[in-house]
Amino acid sequence: EDKVVQSPLSLVVHEGDTVTLNCSYEVTNFRSLLWYKQEKKAPTFLFMLTSSGIEKKSGRLSSILDKKELFSILNITATQTGDSAVYLCAVVKETSGSRLTFGEGTQLTVNP
Amino acid sequence: NAGVTQTPKFRVLKTGQSMTLLCAQDMNHEYMYWYRQDPGMGLRLIHYSVGEGTTAKGEVPDGYNVSRLKKQNFLLGLESAAPSQTSVYFCASRHSFWDRGRETQYFGPGTRLLVL
Repeated sequence: EDKVVQSPLSLVVHEGDTVTLNCSYEVTNFRSLLWYKQEKKAPTFLFMLTSSGIEKKSGRLSSILDKKELFSILNITATQTGDSAVYLCAVVKETSGSRLTFGEGTQLTVNP
Repeated sequence: NAGVTQTPKFRVLKTGQSMTLLCAQDMNHEYMYWYRQDPGMGLRLIHYSVGEGTTAKGEVPDGYNVSRLKKQNFLLGLESAAPSQTSVYFCASRHSFWDRGRETQYFGPGTRLLVL
């Protein structure tokens, strides 16, 4: 059975801290891994990772994939209160429909 | 370009009532999906469609039906609502499987459903 596990499930930090969110997976026919940010409403896309060792960056956010050890991390540096959200990890399979298997998400709270 | 839209935004049903949730996308995406999101469960796939006139079951299809009569629309039906179907429902769409590099699913704003 396919599995995507995120840790920690919940994290509270102060503004300016750096955080690392983890996502491990056990999925057959892996194609790619996606990170989303969800603030009360629809998840919004952050990164897509397909190859190991290539870091994707967007401002203070960065992510990397390790296909040998089957995990990905999402880093946020110099956190701001606007970073407070649920961060979702999802894996795309090489199957009809390219279905996503989601992890439970990490609830990040950034306090001023 | 509105992206993915969902109607209604919020609905309260009594047990046994029926309703249809509408998802529309204007990005000419082939694939469309319906998810439900519950606390501690993440997003779970209900049904999906890889093209007009086609549908397939996801992880949690029981109690739901879907139709994709037009490429831009994906309907989710509850024939006889149950309290266990209280949830937030998200629709998503994306480009086709063979379109590598454009695999991101784009999500609608969600429909909050309460079944009493």
